[in-house]
Amino acid sequence: DAGVIQSPRHEVTEMGQEVTLRCKPISGHDYLFWYRQTMMRGLELLIYFNNNVPIDDSGMPEDRFSAKMPNASFSTLKIQPSEPRDSAVYFCASSRQAPNQPQHFGDGTRLSIL
Amino acid sequence: GNSVTQMEGPVTLSEEAFLTINCTYTATGYPSLFWYVQYPGEGLQLLLKATKADDKGSNKGFEATYRKETTSFHLEKGSVQVSDSAVYFCALSDSGGSQGNLIFGKGTKLSVKP
Repeated sequence: DAGVIQSPRHEVTEMGQEVTLRCKPISGHDYLFWYRQTMMRGLELLIYFNNNVPIDDSGMPEDRFSAKMPNASFSTLKIQPSEPRDSAVYFCASSRQAPNQPQHFGDGTRLSIL
Repeated sequence: GNSVTQMEGPVTLSEEAFLTINCTYTATGYPSLFWYVQYPGEGLQLLLKATKADDKGSNKGFEATYRKETTSFHLEKGSVQVSDSAVYFCALSDSGGSQGNLIFGKGTKLSVKP
């Protein structure tokens, strides 16, 4: 079975540019999560969706960040405008609807803002 | 609220040494407990899980037992290999209002020397 697919794997862009990260969850999974990982702050939950609906976006750092899930097989995380402090590895994960299910992670997008 | 505390690293061991990474939790209800592993440059992978008290999760020579009386889920391996070098995360399911969400510890980096 295909796992969670993220693209791009690496992104290098200049400050002020718009960045869009993409995620395809595992088919049949109802939850989708976006995380950010840095050396300083560790793994942080940014937002998660259930059945394409955002449930908790309290981890989104500021208005420059937005996330959408237009259908069950695709989600985007957008940063506009980007800043150097947004440099991190961004992970997408998905899981089934049933209680206490594990999350399955993608390989992440390594984002560098110059 | 629910939380996970795991021992700070880094942990450095010689090959074939015994490994323990401590994890304790605070939770309401009856959460499931997980250990994830992150190899360099990759996303988090589920290593093992336990869904109720006294359950033992095991995989790849790693074990952890769900101890409700001590609210612990310590990870152990009898003989580590260089290939076990990675970051290990303890997590619990948020059995409260945020069903589907996992609460992660800060991670413990393990380095195994030949």
